[in-house]
Amino acid sequence: AQTVTQSQPEMSVQEAETVTLSCTYDTSESDYYLFWYKQPPSRQMILVIRQEAYKQQNATENRFSVNFQKAAKSFSLKISDSQLGDAAMYFCAYRSPNTGNQFYFGTGTSLTVIP
Amino acid sequence: KAGVTQTPRYLIKTRGQQVTLSCSPISGHRSVSWYQQTPGQGLQFLFEYFSETQRNKGNFPGRFSGRQFSNSRSEMNVSTLELGDSALYLCASSFGTGPNSPLHFGNGTRLTVT
Repeated sequence: AQTVTQSQPEMSVQEAETVTLSCTYDTSESDYYLFWYKQPPSRQMILVIRQEAYKQQNATENRFSVNFQKAAKSFSLKISDSQLGDAAMYFCAYRSPNTGNQFYFGTGTSLTVIP
Repeated sequence: KAGVTQTPRYLIKTRGQQVTLSCSPISGHRSVSWYQQTPGQGLQFLFEYFSETQRNKGNFPGRFSGRQFSNSRSEMNVSTLELGDSALYLCASSFGTGPNSPLHFGNGTRLTVT
């Protein structure tokens, strides 16, 4: 089974600053999909950004961007101009094209935004 | 468009009892997946249903079961509850299982087993 590792249990960032959350994964597949989800205290998991492994270009969604390094099996999330509403648990997730909607999640990084 | 709706939001049960959780997917979504979230194990995949058929199952005992109805609504059942079943159970729906079908999650059901 694929494994996803988030080595930073907690991170903090000053409001308006930039923070990067790390994620590595282990797989023998060449084609797969990677996601970052955000879980605020409301408990609902919200999709932040996604990346297809066959695309070399890094995905970007407004203030959120990723640094996808396929050879290194690394998928970090950069949040620019951090806002108070960005405070949440962030989960990195891996999805194989062969197992439907079975996602493999990392253990999460708790992000605190300091005013 | 309404999001994924899970009921109830909170549930307290006694060891040995059984419980049924409900999930209504986003309109038009035919795939429903269930995940268990605990502080120790994180998010773990339980199973996925698509068009009333179980497509995939995670590594959980047979006490965990589910089903999907013709309107795509899904229920998850846990029998003979154990203390370790206390968790947040998340339901997620998607239009399909292709590469451009991300999961859309509900708010979860918090199950406490005493």
